[in-house]
Amino acid sequence: DAGITQSPRHKVTETGTPVTLRCHQTENHRYMYWYRQDPGHGLRLIHYSYGVKDTDKGEVSDGYSVSRSKTEDFLLTLESATSSQTSVYFCAISVRGKDDEQYFGPGTRLTVT
Amino acid sequence: GNSVTQMEGPVTLSEEAFLTINCTYTATGYPSLFWYVQYPGEGLQLLLKATKADDKGSNKGFEATYRKETTSFHLEKGSVQVSDSAVYFCALPGAGSARQLTFGSGTQLTVLP
Repeated sequence: DAGITQSPRHKVTETGTPVTLRCHQTENHRYMYWYRQDPGHGLRLIHYSYGVKDTDKGEVSDGYSVSRSKTEDFLLTLESATSSQTSVYFCAISVRGKDDEQYFGPGTRLTVT
Repeated sequence: GNSVTQMEGPVTLSEEAFLTINCTYTATGYPSLFWYVQYPGEGLQLLLKATKADDKGSNKGFEATYRKETTSFHLEKGSVQVSDSAVYFCALPGAGSARQLTFGSGTQLTVLP
């Protein structure tokens, strides 16, 4: 357990509304990631952060933005939610110096109607 | 870039049967290799890892050997239990500075009593 929490755990929202998901860690890890999980695709990287205010895009970043104003919090925002963004979202931290091990939060199930 | 190909599922076995889930990889250099497990409704948990060629990772009766010659990291267990029912993911770090994990599509394992 790397002390990672995600909120909310479940959310239903309507198409076109903005949504923000929060990831919180308690162990001061520098690298944090947002993935989405969809059937048949495993997990795909949306965005990642390598420090406060330092973020970059992953392979499926369109329609998403992120922010990291504090080491412990990494926010994922869907500016205008679409049905294709219905998914389960996982936050992860990377333990550098431990062979790139990553530890995951419990996930947020998002449904866009 | 680094990639992983995982055996398609689902896999259904009887309790005490032998399990193999195939995973092959393409990578620059010799990155660490991982197996993650996801139980229903939960996030991904690190099951085992191997950090160099011929290393064997093991945990909870599961084993996987890092085979450089065949670029494989197959997951095995000699006698599965009902409690092993879950989705299993093979993964490796990407080649870039983000070091995000690249996952296989996952294999659903169901063990029947």
